[in-house]
Amino acid sequence: QVQLVESGGGVVQPGRSLRLSCAASGFAFSRYEMHWVRQAPGKGLEWVAFISFDGSRTYYADSGKGRFTVSRDNSKNTLYLQMTYLRPEDTAVYFCAKDLSDKYSLDYWGQGTLVTVSS
Amino acid sequence: QSALTQPASVSGSPGQSITISCTGTSSDVGGYNYVSWYQQHPGKAPKLIIYEVNNRPSGVSNRFSGSKSGNTASLIVSGLQAEDEADYYCISFTSSTTWVFGGGTKVTVL
Repeated sequence: QVQLVESGGGVVQPGRSLRLSCAASGFAFSRYEMHWVRQAPGKGLEWVAFISFDGSRTYYADSGKGRFTVSRDNSKNTLYLQMTYLRPEDTAVYFCAKDLSDKYSLDYWGQGTLVTVSS
Repeated sequence: QSALTQPASVSGSPGQSITISCTGTSSDVGGYNYVSWYQQHPGKAPKLIIYEVNNRPSGVSNRFSGSKSGNTASLIVSGLQAEDEADYYCISFTSSTTWVFGGGTKVTVL
């Protein structure tokens, strides 16, 4: 069955960097596009980033453009989100999600990893 | 990238039907049939319940259905059950090649 397991969250000071990982299993990872979505405590969902199956196309929400970089290693079935110049407003649970092929929908989600940006 | 507009809360009695609206613009909801809906219970990951406006993934109850008219998409939950009490989110693909969520709707079963 499809499994997505995020890791790398934690407490980080403002202005510092953090890299999140998402280990995928149970499907042909290299054939699917992937997303990152976040949810601030007690708030709604916010789409963060998208990466094509081969990594050639990436798109970002304005909130992360220029600071966040999404990448993938298809040989390791792993998705990444490199976050730099972190701000307190980046505090959230970060989910990785699999795209439902060509449907622009997110059909499987991980359980999320919490990032807290605080001094 | 303004969030899509959803009502903050909707409630209904068991067995009733409720409708959750999701209003955007011609650059997102109105311009594409790439609207999907998600159910999220407290402390859990979201679950896809409708994709491409009105398609249900395998295993999702047929009590959930979707539609779209102009810049507004809707999620209809019929035969409301206690387990339907959750937060619901819409999301749309946009002309900027990004995705935008709605603010979320809390559904309460009375």
